[in-house]
Amino acid sequence: DGGITQSPKYLFRKEGQNVTLSCEQNLNHDAMYWYRQDPGQGLRLIYYSQIVNDFQKGDIAEGYSVSREKKESFPLTVTSAQKNPTAFYLCASSIGVGQGRYEQFFGPGTRLTVL
Amino acid sequence: SQQGEEDPQALSIQEGENATMNCSYKTSINNLQWYRQNSGRGLVHLILIRSNEREKHSGRLRVTLDTSKKSSSLLITASRAADTASYFCATMTTDSWGKLQFGAGTQVVVTP
Repeated sequence: DGGITQSPKYLFRKEGQNVTLSCEQNLNHDAMYWYRQDPGQGLRLIYYSQIVNDFQKGDIAEGYSVSREKKESFPLTVTSAQKNPTAFYLCASSIGVGQGRYEQFFGPGTRLTVL
Repeated sequence: SQQGEEDPQALSIQEGENATMNCSYKTSINNLQWYRQNSGRGLVHLILIRSNEREKHSGRLRVTLDTSKKSSSLLITASRAADTASYFCATMTTDSWGKLQFGAGTQVVVTP
């Protein structure tokens, strides 16, 4: 059963804590992405990675960090420096622009709430 | 800043009717994509149209692209209650390979 999994589905964090959101894909995709979605809004890009051991900041990277040590995994850490982290976080992957395929495949999301 | 902006923000129709939503963008694109999101779920890719294409069909979906007006439209024909969702356009510009810029979406409600 191929696809993208995100865990946990719901996450509660106290102010001042770092939390890590998991994203795993078994689609053998090169590229992976993290987005943030706020109520009634579109997606904003946090970080993306086109290849293992390389990643770039997106439009709203402040207060977040990522790693890409394995092709199938792209965890996102929400640090205490992120001032308003309550949001819906979506992970996505794509084959990679070098393949001429641009559509992205999304996981089910993680809803993070800061208490 | 958001590259794509959808219009209308919300749309309510009855089953069997057609639903049309529009997307405008600001800079030159390589391609434009439409996605659907059911409430509280991830996005699902619907259709991709490249900058050199003017129209594309997939089942009950029809997408048009007018690069001179920097706009696209998504038409859902003979809508069903299961089409109730938010629809987003996303653009990939010519200088940001792989990265998508999403609009705020159109929320569509189809009533039986």
